[in-house]
Amino acid sequence: DQQVKQNSPSLSVQEGRISILNCDYTNSMFDYFLWYKKYPAEGPTFLISISSIKDKNEDGRFTVFLNKSAKHLSLHIVPSQPGDSAVYFCAASETGANSKLTFGKGITLSVRP
Amino acid sequence: DAGVIQSPRHEVTEMGQEVTLRCKPISGHNSLFWYRQTMMRGLELLIYFNNNVPIDDSGMPEDRFSAKMPNASFSTLKIQPSEPRDSAVYFCASSLGLKKETQYFGPGTRLLVL
Repeated sequence: DQQVKQNSPSLSVQEGRISILNCDYTNSMFDYFLWYKKYPAEGPTFLISISSIKDKNEDGRFTVFLNKSAKHLSLHIVPSQPGDSAVYFCAASETGANSKLTFGKGITLSVRP
Repeated sequence: DAGVIQSPRHEVTEMGQEVTLRCKPISGHNSLFWYRQTMMRGLELLIYFNNNVPIDDSGMPEDRFSAKMPNASFSTLKIQPSEPRDSAVYFCASSLGLKKETQYFGPGTRLLVL
């Protein structure tokens, strides 16, 4: 049973436009959320995170929005660049030092030049 | 900084054989995580260690899987006997403490069990 769902397996956008990657979760105990980025033949790398006490966190071109009532978060990339083409994983955890990460299946983003 | 090192990068084996995956965490990191990535289930946490002690192995799929961390600079994930459904990419990650965003992943081992 997937507690973190990334229902769209892929997304293609034009360079310079906005990319919106969506993620839904079912576990109401989750209160910390992360996005990881993965290039082929490499391990995932941390991109951005958000705590449930916030509804938005921004880092340069990357912004994560959290809607707790809908159990939904999204990653916005503006403007999208060809180098952003990668697999993006949404992850969630409960607060606590021993909390483990629960990942979604990932979304493959392709940014067309 | 060499980052997290995993070996081998690719492994092809036959069903029933023993498979051992190896991981060297970043020096100074005291938490180590083993993940498995498949198309069906995405990225799953199998087990993690803190200060060489297993903390949570609830993600280990069955008794055929075992993991050890004999010292702070080395860990193994063993599958015995291996089955075709074990085919996946296995990642090792390490962190300083248990903060989620500071997990650094290795490049992974791509395992194919025929």
